[in-house]
Amino acid sequence: EAGVAQSPRYKIIEKRQSVAFWCNPISGHATLYWYQQILGQGPKLLIQFQNNGVVDDSQLPKDRFSAERLKGVDSTLKIQPAKLEDSAVYLCASSSAYNEQFFGPGTRLTVL
Amino acid sequence: GQNIDQPTEMTATEGAIVQINCTYQTSGFNGLFWYQQHAGEAPTFLSYNVLDGLEEKGRFSSFLSRSKGYSYLLLKELQMKDSASYLCAVRDQYSGGGADGLTFGKGTHLIIQP
Repeated sequence: EAGVAQSPRYKIIEKRQSVAFWCNPISGHATLYWYQQILGQGPKLLIQFQNNGVVDDSQLPKDRFSAERLKGVDSTLKIQPAKLEDSAVYLCASSSAYNEQFFGPGTRLTVL
Repeated sequence: GQNIDQPTEMTATEGAIVQINCTYQTSGFNGLFWYQQHAGEAPTFLSYNVLDGLEEKGRFSSFLSRSKGYSYLLLKELQMKDSASYLCAVRDQYSGGGADGLTFGKGTHLIIQP
């Protein structure tokens, strides 16, 4: 079974620029999560989708971050404008029926 | 909210046994997960406990005491490839709305020496 796919794997931008990350979950997984992992920390949940609806976005900085999952499969996370403190690895995970989450390889973002 | 504590770093010897502790203080609880994360890679699932007691999976075991807010991950017959970060994560009480995102600790960096 194919795992969670993410792209790009690496991205370097300057502060105040915009950036977007893409995630394709495991086939059949209705639930999709975006996490932010700052160096030396554990992942922090940003947003959770159930099919194409948002279930939890309480920790998403909505003034600059947005996410969508229009057809209930792929998802995009956007940052506009980026700040230095957004430098992190952005992990996408998916799960089925309240089971364990499977993580993708992540996108490492560096904001200069 | 959730507060999860685990040691920052531990060192162990190849072939030995190591126990990584995790304590948590939560407003709700519906399961504790352990993940392994090698440097530069994604976390991979190791174990899940929702009831008190020990869950064993090959060289890895995980224990949970809900009354004490305590869990540990036990790794036996350590191998060099076990050098990684081990993340403890708690799932909040099921609210009925479907939210089940995990709250992670900062991770324990385990170093295996020959």
